[in-house]
Amino acid sequence: EPEVTQTPSHQVTQMGQEVILRCVPISNHLYFYWYRQILGQKVEFLVSFYNNEISEKSEIFDDQFSVERPDGSNFTLKIRSTKLEDSAMYFCASRGGTASNQPQHFGDGTRLSIL
Amino acid sequence: GQQLNQSPQSMFIQEGEDVSMNCTSSSIFNTWLWYKQDPGEGPVLLIALYKAGELTSNGRLTAQFGITRKDSFLNISASIPSDVGIYFCAGQSYGYQKVTFGTGTKLQVIP
Repeated sequence: EPEVTQTPSHQVTQMGQEVILRCVPISNHLYFYWYRQILGQKVEFLVSFYNNEISEKSEIFDDQFSVERPDGSNFTLKIRSTKLEDSAMYFCASRGGTASNQPQHFGDGTRLSIL
Repeated sequence: GQQLNQSPQSMFIQEGEDVSMNCTSSSIFNTWLWYKQDPGEGPVLLIALYKAGELTSNGRLTAQFGITRKDSFLNISASIPSDVGIYFCAGQSYGYQKVTFGTGTKLQVIP
């Protein structure tokens, strides 16, 4: 079965540094998402992306965050200047189809640790 | 914002027992989803519900979309050790792409 894949599985970064998290969505999917899960808490929506632009974002997704689809397969999340509170699991998701209620499929996440 | 509360927060059950967990929302959703998360992994979709009142099964799992569109339940019959994990309900509204996750129910199965 097709999967969403994320790299790296674990990223350790010094506070203030930039970090890029990478995702390869399922190949025929058109809608892409990033979510965050702080340890022991629920999964929180960050941003959705379609047709090469952001379609929705949460209040968490401030100007330190950006997303990009640099080519036909990758979808990236960049944090410009990381803070301690950015430490979390970051999940990429994708969905196919045109119906807005199609379920999203998640990758296994990148654990981001800010020192 | 939209809030989804799950109950119970955690539960310990004996292998072979049936399990029931609930999710209630402060607002209406058009799609209800149930995901399972194992440690160190991402949420895996178990069941998707698209119509109020819909009852859907996936093996030993059964879920229902509440008539008010503000609640859902998930039942697991004859639990087995690999059912251990955190179960999240999630809601999605037409016109909004984001999935709003519940607070999770942590399930432990005692062999």
